[in-house]
Amino acid sequence: AQKVTQAQTEISVVEKEDVTLDCVYETRDTTYYLFWYKQPPSGELVFLIRRNSFDEQNEISGRYSWNFQKSTSSFNFTITASQVVDSAVYFCALSEVYTGANSKLTFGKGITLSVRP
Amino acid sequence: DGGITQSPKYLFRKEGQNVTLSCEQNLNHDAMYWYRQDPGQGLRLIYYSQIVNDFQKGDIAEGYSVSREKKESFPLTVTSAQKNPTAFYLCASSRGTENTGELFFGEGSRLTVL
Repeated sequence: AQKVTQAQTEISVVEKEDVTLDCVYETRDTTYYLFWYKQPPSGELVFLIRRNSFDEQNEISGRYSWNFQKSTSSFNFTITASQVVDSAVYFCALSEVYTGANSKLTFGKGITLSVRP
Repeated sequence: DGGITQSPKYLFRKEGQNVTLSCEQNLNHDAMYWYRQDPGQGLRLIYYSQIVNDFQKGDIAEGYSVSREKKESFPLTVTSAQKNPTAFYLCASSRGTENTGELFFGEGSRLTVL
C-alpha cells in the first residue's frame, strides 16, 4: 500500500525566514510521481510541482525549491524568504501509475504553514 | 475561464437526509474525482471516474454514490448511510491517458449535518 507521511502538522515562521516542509513516502512501485499542492484559505488545492521517480534532480522555482531523495524516500519542499501569502496548508502526494489509465493520488495529512508579518 | 465549479459552497442538512453535491468541469478532462477532507486527515478518495458511464470506488466509498452521465459532470450523493458526513468535499479532474496525476480542483463544498 502507498503511504505519504507529513510528520509536521503546523509550522509558524516570521516573514523572510526560510522554511522546509518534510514529506516521506512509501511505495512498492518502481514508477511513480510525487506532488506538492498548496491549499490557501479559499479551499481549492493548487498544483505546485510534479516529480517522477526517475528524476532526482532538485528543482527551483523562484522562492520554492524541492529536494527529492529516493535513498531516503523523501520529497522535501523549501520556501526561501517566506511571505505572508505563503500561509496555507501544503500537501504532499504520491500517485500510482497504471499503463494507459489515469492515476490516483494518495495524500499526506498536510502541513499548516503560518507566516507572521 | 476553464475550471471546476462545485456547488453549493456551504450546505446544511438534517441527519438522515440525502444530499447531492454538484461538480462541473469545462476543461474537457476525461477523469474526475471526489475527495473528502477532514481536519488533520488530509484528503481521502471517495470515488473516481475515468470515462463517461464508468466509475470506481475509492478508499472510503461507503455511504456515497456517484454518476457520470456526461463528461463535464460528476455529482456526488451523500446518503443517509454515511455515518459521519460532515466534512469538506473536493472535486477534481485530470486529463486522459497521458495523465500523470496532476489534478485540478474545485473550491470545495462544506457539508454540515445537524
